[in-house]
Amino acid sequence: AQSVTQLGSHVSVSEGALVLLRCNYSSSVPPYLFWYVQYPNQGLQLLLKYTSAATLVKGINGFEAEFKKSETSFHLTKPSAHMSDAAEYFCAVSDLGGSNYKLTFGKGTLLTVNP
Amino acid sequence: DAGVIQSPRHEVTEMGQEVTLRCKPISGHNSLFWYRQTMMRGLELLIYFNNNVPIDDSGMPEDRFSAKMPNASFSTLKIQPSEPRDSAVYFCASTLAGGGYNEQFFGPGTRLTVL
Repeated sequence: AQSVTQLGSHVSVSEGALVLLRCNYSSSVPPYLFWYVQYPNQGLQLLLKYTSAATLVKGINGFEAEFKKSETSFHLTKPSAHMSDAAEYFCAVSDLGGSNYKLTFGKGTLLTVNP
Repeated sequence: DAGVIQSPRHEVTEMGQEVTLRCKPISGHNSLFWYRQTMMRGLELLIYFNNNVPIDDSGMPEDRFSAKMPNASFSTLKIQPSEPRDSAVYFCASTLAGGGYNEQFFGPGTRLTVL
């Protein structure tokens, strides 16, 4: 069974500071990995995805994530936080190449950006 | 592209009433997912369809919940009778599954309040 653990339900950073949101996964087969962002009162929007190509994945809004198989991690980073980055972020995993198209989501990390 | 459309956006009802949530997936997508989001339990997959056929309904909480997909462009999630603990935001998502994984696109959600 797949699972995702997001370390830290709430992360607070200052504007301009590094953003680091942690995600560890468990999967019995090579995974697809995703980061989604949810702004207040909106649905989830895809930030980026890893599908077994490059281990460093670049997404929208300056975010990137690195797949590290040895650490079973897929942490999300952004060099400089902006006020508009304040939102909830979800990491998700799915089986690579499987016929099961389900995503298993983490509990989410709420990012607060202070001026 | 209009994206995934959900209606209503907000629903307030009294305990015991029937509630029907509606979803129109993105045209051309062949898989549809219903999720429920609460503070306590996070984002939960309730059921998903592939080519209008329910594939996995193991997340449906109890018999009061039912979902249908009569055609490729419409799905409903029904709760009968509704209870206060059903209060949550319900999301619909769709994807084009097969030939490599594609990300799920989420609708804006329906915020359900059961009094």
